[in-house]
Amino acid sequence: SQKIEQNSEALNIQEGKTATLTCNYTNYSPAYLQWYRQDPGRGPVFLLLIRENEKEKRKERLKVTFDTTLKQSLFHITASQPADSATYLCALTNTGFQKLVFGTGTRLLVSP
Amino acid sequence: SQTIHQWPATLVQPVGSPLSLECTVEGTSNPNLYWYRQAAGRGLQLLFYSVGIGQISSEVPQNLSASRPQDRQFILSSKKLLLSDSGFYLCAWSGQGSPTEAFFGQGTRLTVV
Repeated sequence: SQKIEQNSEALNIQEGKTATLTCNYTNYSPAYLQWYRQDPGRGPVFLLLIRENEKEKRKERLKVTFDTTLKQSLFHITASQPADSATYLCALTNTGFQKLVFGTGTRLLVSP
Repeated sequence: SQTIHQWPATLVQPVGSPLSLECTVEGTSNPNLYWYRQAAGRGLQLLFYSVGIGQISSEVPQNLSASRPQDRQFILSSKKLLLSDSGFYLCAWSGQGSPTEAFFGQGTRLTVV
C-alpha cells in the first residue's frame, strides 16, 4: 500500500540550530513534493515545492531535498527560531497534479 | 485574489444526525477541490477530491459523501453521523494543469456526541 511517513515524535532543538525533518514514501511515483506548515487549530500553509527532477530547493532559511531513488525528502530550517515551532507536513502529488496526499506530520519545538 | 470560505468553524452534532459542510472558492475557476479530515495529533487524511463539476473521487470508504454542484462549491455530507466522524475537517483548492500549492480553509471542528 502507499505510505508517506514522517517522524511521529516531536523534534526538540535549540534556537539557532538547524532543524532537519524527514519524509519517506513507499509505492509512490510522485511528480512533485511539497512541504507545509500547520499551526494548532489552523489549516496548513504552503512553504516549498520541489519537482521530481530537482535535487534541492531553497527559500530564505528553508531548504528541501528530494531523492527519488531513496524515496525521501529532507526539510531543513537553518538558524531556527521559537516562531518556527509548528507541525510540518510533506505532501505528494501525482503526474496529473490532481490528487494531493499528506504525510503524518512532524512537530517541531524550538527552545529559546 | 483568491479566497476560500469554509463554515461553520465548530459544530457539535448528535450521533445519527445528518451533516453538511460547505466550502466555496472565490477568485479562480476550475480549481481542484479537496476534503481532508484530521484526527487529534494526526496527519491529514484525504477524503475526497474533485477536478470538475460532478466529478468526485473517494479515497476512503466511510460514512461520508461529497458533491460539487458548482465549479467553486464543494460540499461534504453524511446522512447519519457516527462517533468516529469527529475530527477537524479541512477544505482546500489548488490550480489545475500545473504543480501549484494548495490553499486551505479555516477548518471545521466537528464533535459527534
